[in-house]
Amino acid sequence: GQQVQQSPASLVLQEGENAELQCNFSSTATRLQWFYQRPGGSLVSLLSNPSGTKHTGRLTSTTVTKERRGSLHISSSQITDSGTYLCAMEQGTGSKLSFGKGAKLTVSP
Amino acid sequence: GALVYQYPRRTICKSGTSMRMECQAVGFQATSVAWYRQSPQKTFELIALSTVNSAIKYEQNFTQEKFPISHPNLSFSSMTVLNAYLEDRGLYLCGARGGNTEVFFGKGTRLTVV
Repeated sequence: GQQVQQSPASLVLQEGENAELQCNFSSTATRLQWFYQRPGGSLVSLLSNPSGTKHTGRLTSTTVTKERRGSLHISSSQITDSGTYLCAMEQGTGSKLSFGKGAKLTVSP
Repeated sequence: GALVYQYPRRTICKSGTSMRMECQAVGFQATSVAWYRQSPQKTFELIALSTVNSAIKYEQNFTQEKFPISHPNLSFSSMTVLNAYLEDRGLYLCGARGGNTEVFFGKGTRLTVV
């Protein structure tokens, strides 16, 4: 079955609201990495952390490895935040990642 | 900083022909490189993982005969899609890392098969 489950699959917010994206994984992970996928398809790495909480700008990633879950919090969402957010789980130390199906965020004025 | 250059960004090939894509790691030594495909309306699937000094490991549904990969040194990897057909279309990504860092991705190669 799907190793990485993301929820919600889609989210619609008004500008200024906060977004919370969840990621659950079915096996032990060494790291969780969050990506933003541009409309053209390329991936922008947002945050990567093995456990605990990490911040950058308006983004906060929290990973609780023992509970096999993680989250990405986007505060004060902006229209330009709209797009697809992917959670990827890493097992071991290679480049192998298992991706979730993504969460489509739409931020309206 | 660490970067991965992937090229070409997009390519169109005729059904039954082959195309090759390449990735170059800059600013770090790519000890492992993974190749992924995102087919239309799907998430990323791992094709294979290549680690220097180890055999390339292909995932189920992907074979070396169809997707031969080369990883000759710590800065370069290439993958060829042989005999491409409609079901091979999609976005192909390479992800590389060195040591215990995060995985760095190229911008992808979008393959269209006509």
